[in-house]
Amino acid sequence: AQKITQTQPGMFVQEKEAVTLDCTYDTSDPSYGLFWYKQPSSGEMIFLIYQGSYDQQNATEGRYSLNFQKARKSANLVISASQLGDSAMYFCAMRANAGGTSYGKLTFGQGTILTVHP
Amino acid sequence: GAVVSQHPSRVICKSGTSVKIECRSLDFQATTMFWYRQFPKQSLMLMATSNEGSKATYEQGVEKDKFLINHASLTLSTLTVTSAHPEDSSFYICSADKPGGGEDTQYFGPGTRLTVL
Repeated sequence: AQKITQTQPGMFVQEKEAVTLDCTYDTSDPSYGLFWYKQPSSGEMIFLIYQGSYDQQNATEGRYSLNFQKARKSANLVISASQLGDSAMYFCAMRANAGGTSYGKLTFGQGTILTVHP
Repeated sequence: GAVVSQHPSRVICKSGTSVKIECRSLDFQATTMFWYRQFPKQSLMLMATSNEGSKATYEQGVEKDKFLINHASLTLSTLTVTSAHPEDSSFYICSADKPGGGEDTQYFGPGTRLTVL
């Protein structure tokens, strides 16, 4: 079974500052993928970044980077230079991998509401 | 990225009626689609996995007779909430797997907000 834990119900950050959203996970799958999604008030799920369990380097995508610490089973999202438009709910998720391809259902964390102050 | 649509985006219905929500993959064929339910400020809860041409796989605690899922083609899955009641009011989101699409292969629809009066 897979489990994702996000312990920060809400986070506040000043515009242009960096913020880290925490995510820890637990799984018995030898190979897995970790995802971060952004959900603004409109409800759509916006894919941000992906980290494979066997990837040697931390994933980066523009202002988003994933601080992957496999031994600690953590996959924190770092948003640099926060913008007002970053205010949203953020979800960490994972799914099993096979042959380098994600498959099966996504397991989501509880989510973190990020508020960016001007 | 790939596009997944949902229809309707918002629906209000009376208690006791049935509501059908469509999920379409517009530019790819999806053998597997997923249906999620989300209450305000909560996480997405997987309801069922919809497989083209076969019966859906429901998560524990989800009533298959109440939430009917049909995946009749490679681009369309439907969720029917039968005899809807106010407690079924929620945000329903579908997603679809794009074969060979890479690591971010699960694409989400924009969601359907259901309100049962």
